[in-house]
Amino acid sequence: QSALTQPASVSGSPGQSITISCTGTSSDVGGYNFVSWYQQHPGTAPKLIIYEISHRPSGVSDRFSAAKSGNTASLTISGLQAEDGADYYCSSYSSSNTYLFGTGTKVTVL
Amino acid sequence: QVHLVESGGGVVQPGRSLRLSCAASGFTFNKYAMQWVRQAPGKGLEWVAVISYGGDNIHYADSVKGRFTVSRDNSLNTVYLQMNDLRREDTAVYYCARDRLWFVDFDYWGQGSLVTVSS
Repeated sequence: QSALTQPASVSGSPGQSITISCTGTSSDVGGYNFVSWYQQHPGTAPKLIIYEISHRPSGVSDRFSAAKSGNTASLTISGLQAEDGADYYCSSYSSSNTYLFGTGTKVTVL
Repeated sequence: QVHLVESGGGVVQPGRSLRLSCAASGFTFNKYAMQWVRQAPGKGLEWVAVISYGGDNIHYADSVKGRFTVSRDNSLNTVYLQMNDLRREDTAVYYCARDRLWFVDFDYWGQGSLVTVSS
């Protein structure tokens, strides 16, 4: 049960776009359409921002978009804002009834 | 409004036990699976366990299998995590979360309960 691989950190200036990758295997990310993304600000619980690869829950900004190709999923934040500075985690169902999170990416708004 | 509140955390010695509770409100509890996720200090998220809406389908991460037991009482809208034979590496904030479908994603989270395993 290894974690999905994400870059440790990504940074960008306000207004720019950034992309976070999430790499798994054919037993998790590549094998199912159940990739989701969570945003976590310091000291708070994670918040679901993307589900089923590319769908946004009600109330989540359309500046967040996501996609998947093969064993790699990606999250793009467009028009970066100061409030987007947080940790981001991808996740996926994995075979044998387990669930994996990514290693996490710290987004810094410069 | 969905609300999840964990309780029961604290400081415990290695090898001892602790039970966490997660009280749910604002939704039909017996129609949703529930999940436990933990986060060690300064570390990432780690999935711990899932229990189906009826309590008859349960799965655990290898790291806790045989030591942790998840259960639920639908009459009390509460899910539990019984943690036995605790180890220092179990030190973490434990979150309960509502499973939106089944093992797909977690749409609501509690505020977390800190468990510290230390002598």
